[in-house]
Amino acid sequence: EIELEESGGGLVQPGRSLRLSCTVSGFEFGDYAMTWVRQAPGKGLDWVGFIRRRSDGGTSEYAASVKGRFTISRDDSKSIAYLQMDSLKVEDTGLYYCSRFRLGSGTHFLDYWGRGALVTVSS
Amino acid sequence: SYVLTQPPSVSVAPGKTAKITCGGNKIGDKSVHWYQQRPGQAPILVMSYDSDRPSGIPERFSGSNSKNTATLSISRVEAGDEADFYCQVWDRDNKILVFGGGTKLTVL
Repeated sequence: EIELEESGGGLVQPGRSLRLSCTVSGFEFGDYAMTWVRQAPGKGLDWVGFIRRRSDGGTSEYAASVKGRFTISRDDSKSIAYLQMDSLKVEDTGLYYCSRFRLGSGTHFLDYWGRGALVTVSS
Repeated sequence: SYVLTQPPSVSVAPGKTAKITCGGNKIGDKSVHWYQQRPGQAPILVMSYDSDRPSGIPERFSGSNSKNTATLSISRVEAGDEADFYCQVWDRDNKILVFGGGTKLTVL
């Protein structure tokens, strides 16, 4: 059974940093790209970014709203994806989901999701 | 960047067919994926590549995509289908993933 579990959420002050982890099981982590999506309270889904698998270069792409502040990385030996969030803003508050990211020909989508980790940015 | 437009809400009586639309410029030239998010739960993939149902998704769910509108149809709607539904595409030019604003499906 495929499972993804986010951890590391919490309350943080504006301008500070927080790192989320996404631990997966049930599939070969190194064979897949991984992505993060967030959802502000009562709002819709908002894509954060993704990281390619190592064989595709292990590089990342980000939404404009987080580029330069957030960094996605991965540790294939531990089957963990990370989301490093720096210079946090109040508007970064929300539930952060990690997901397995399927890279198709000309399209990408999310096929398995975790339950999310809550991040609250407030003074 | 690319914009996807969904109606905020759709209401349907039990047993009827619900149609949730997703509008975008020449969206028919893209692959559209759909997610269902029940209250208090994480989203799940219910349709990929316009009309492919993942394993475990009922046959009552179907999808289509043409010109400027993609549609997720749910036939014989049940109370358990109540949820928010999101469409999604990959904006290849800008290398970003785009979600629609979401549609709340209410079963009357």
